[in-house]
Amino acid sequence: GAGVSQSPSNKVTEKGKDVELRCDPISGHTALYWYRQSLGQGLEFLIYFQGNSAPDKSGLPSDRFSAERTGGSVSTLTIQRTQQEDSAVYLCASSEARDSYEQYFGPGTRLTVT
Amino acid sequence: KQEVTQIPAALSVPEGENLVLNCSFTDSAIYNLQWFRQDPGKGLTSLLLIQSSQREQTSGRLNASLDKSSGRSTLYIAASQPGDSATYLCAVRGSSASKIIFGSGTRLSIRP
Repeated sequence: GAGVSQSPSNKVTEKGKDVELRCDPISGHTALYWYRQSLGQGLEFLIYFQGNSAPDKSGLPSDRFSAERTGGSVSTLTIQRTQQEDSAVYLCASSEARDSYEQYFGPGTRLTVT
Repeated sequence: KQEVTQIPAALSVPEGENLVLNCSFTDSAIYNLQWFRQDPGKGLTSLLLIQSSQREQTSGRLNASLDKSSGRSTLYIAASQPGDSATYLCAVRGSSASKIIFGSGTRLSIRP
């Protein structure tokens, strides 16, 4: 079946602009995760959605970052007033919220802030 | 606070060799541990997942072990091939089954 999809695959924006990144999880997966991977670095946890529970936002680096998940499916990560240090690959993953919670990743969105 | 470390950061071996990648974690109260590979410019591909109650998992030429008491996991790759060249990441899920912490990865290069 279809895997996790993300759009756009690449985004170039000017410093100070807002951007929205989209994630479509695997159908039926109630858990959704956002991560950030800066050049040459490991994955940094940003936010975790689990069903109708309040999301775990503990990884968001600043109040310029926010995320929504509508209808328990599609998620949007919004970065306001982008800065150059926001340049990174943003990865989304989904999993079932039971048993192994095995994560399946999307291809990522490469964000470049000029 | 959970910390996940992968050593070495980079490894280069000739084709055909068996090799071991290491992952260590500081808090043994984990739900599971997952190994991924990441090819340049790509997302992550899941390789193996070990639940906290398990000791090892095998898939083809890959074998992952878990020793919770010592805070260690190893990924064993048998008869390495150039196509195994990638960055290998381990990820630890906490006992509350929510937050996942990733190691910084081992960049593996298999020389033909």
